[in-house]
This record gives sequence, C-alpha cells and structure tokens, in this order.
Amino acid sequence: EPEVTQTPSHQVTQMGQEVILRCVPISNHLYFYWYRQILGQKVEFLVSFYNNEISEKSEIFDDQFSVERPDGSNFTLKIRSTKLEDSAMYFCASLGGSLVDVHFGNGTRLTVT
Amino acid sequence: AQSVSQHNHHVILSEAASLELGCNYSYGGTVNLFWYVQYPGQHLQLLLKYFSGDPLVKGIKGFEAEFIKSKFSFNLRKPSVQWSDTAEYFCAVISNTGNQFYFGTGTSLTVIP
Repeated sequence: EPEVTQTPSHQVTQMGQEVILRCVPISNHLYFYWYRQILGQKVEFLVSFYNNEISEKSEIFDDQFSVERPDGSNFTLKIRSTKLEDSAMYFCASLGGSLVDVHFGNGTRLTVT
Repeated sequence: AQSVSQHNHHVILSEAASLELGCNYSYGGTVNLFWYVQYPGQHLQLLLKYFSGDPLVKGIKGFEAEFIKSKFSFNLRKPSVQWSDTAEYFCAVISNTGNQFYFGTGTSLTVIP
C-alpha cells in the first residue's frame, strides 16, 4: 500500500530558528493537508492545498507559516521563526480525487527549545 | 464554518461494556466521514469511513458507525470493549470540495480490565 512519508521524524530547534518539515504525499493524490497535535491534545487543522495553492487555512496558520510543493512531489511546511508553543507533532496527509482515500504520514515531532 | 463536535471528552468503561462515542458535524453539503484511533504515543489509524451507500459502516477491530444524515451524526459503536481499546478516538469530516478536512476534539477512552 502506498505511504505518505515525512522527514525528519524528530527535529529539535532553538526558538527563533526556521524549520522546514517535509512530506512526500501519494503520487496521484490531489489534496494535501498539514495538521499539528500538541502532546495529548486534539488534532488541529493548519492548511489544505490543492492545485498548487492554499485552499483553506486556519487561524493558527499565520504569517510565520508557509507551504510549498516545489517539485511536484514534496509538500513542505515552513515555520519562519519558531516559538516554544510550536512544539508539537506535525502530520501531513494526502487525499485522492475520490475524497475518501486519505493517507497520513507518521508525523514529525518538533521540539522548540 | 464547518465544525466537528465530539461531546464525550473522556469515557471510562469496564471490559465487555458497550461503547458509543458521539460525533456531530455542521456542514450543509455532502461530506465524507471518518473515525480514527490513536494509541498512546502512536500516529493516527483509520478505523472506518463512510462516503456513500449503507449508512451503517463496519470497520476494523469490531467497530462500526452509523451515519444519520438528518441528525448530522456519525456515532462510533462497539458492542464489547477490550482493555486494548484504550486510546484516543477522533471523528473527522471532509467536505465535498476536499478543502475542509477537520477533526473533532477527540474522546479519550479508558477501558478498565
């Protein structure tokens, strides 16, 4: 079964640094998403991406966040200046055109010190 | 705006008890519905999904869910829980545009042996 892969699995960074979280979605999927989950808490929607542009974003997804699909395969989430409260697990998901074939990556645990 | 509600935040059951976890959504159009389980320290795992057809959906590990369109609900059920079902359960909804893929706040289930 195809998989969504995320790298790195764990990243530690200092407050104020930029981080880029990478995701390789399923190759023929059309919709892509980023979520975050602070330890022990709910899964928070960050952004959805379709046709090479953001289709929906949450209040969390402010100016310090950006997404790109630079080469048609990778789907990246950039946090420009990390804050302590950005520490969380970040999940990527991709969705096929049928809107039922959803695949999640295993997540990147981001720790901001 | 679309939202997903899970009213049971924490449920404690004894083994062999029956389980029903509530999920309601607010969205005027057609939706696809999902239940995910997250075991401690692990990533999201799909339990079941509904997109069309029989509103009673059977998933893995003996779980099932019923879509009641008139009530905007998709409740998760299991006739007899086991200790190994202790986990966090998330309901999720995808809009018919694919742009909105939101999770409920989750229900923590603890099964006492």
